Amino acid sequence: EAGVTQSPTHLIKTRGQQATLRCSPISGHTSVYWYQQALGLGLQFLLWYDEGEERNRGNFPPRFSGRQFPNYSSELNVNALELEDSALYLCASSLGGGAADTQYFGPGTRLTVL
Amino acid sequence: GENVEQHPSTLSVQEGDSAVIKCTYSDSASNYFPWYKQELGKGPQLIIDIRSNVGEKKDQRIAVTLNKTAKHFSLHITETQPEDSAVYFCAASIGGTYKYIFGTGTRLKVLA
Repeated sequence: EAGVTQSPTHLIKTRGQQATLRCSPISGHTSVYWYQQALGLGLQFLLWYDEGEERNRGNFPPRFSGRQFPNYSSELNVNALELEDSALYLCASSLGGGAADTQYFGPGTRLTVL
Repeated sequence: GENVEQHPSTLSVQEGDSAVIKCTYSDSASNYFPWYKQELGKGPQLIIDIRSNVGEKKDQRIAVTLNKTAKHFSLHITETQPEDSAVYFCAASIGGTYKYIFGTGTRLKVLA
């Protein structure tokens, strides 16, 4: 069974540009989570999508947004990129419904902002 | 607010020795505690998890123990091997919900 996939692997942008990151969950999973992992730091919760709706977001500015498609895949958009947005962006999926289910992570997208 | 403290931040052991990583959580309603292993340049991989109705769980060389009264849980790796070298993260669910709070990570080095 295929795991969580993310694309692209690496993304290089300049300050002020927009970045779009994509995630495909494990088949049968309806929840998708996005996390930011800055260098040397832990995982910071960004967004949670379930059944096509944004259910919760972490303490990040509105220029971090996303959506979930009918096939449960998701994209994360970061507008007006700042240097401190450089990080590994991780997507995870779970069975959904809001319960404390196991989250399975993808390999991440390394975003570099110059 | 909810918090998970993880210790130590770095740990070096000789191959074949045991390694123990400890986490303490603050939310008494937390009921799910996963452990993840993250190798360089990769996403975190689930290695073991435990729910609050269980005190200990083992999977080959890996075990997790949970003390709900003290609100702490630990990862135990026996007979360590060089391929165990990675960063390990603990997490605790907030209440019975989807949301995890992650520890700050432990960099484990297994010396051959």
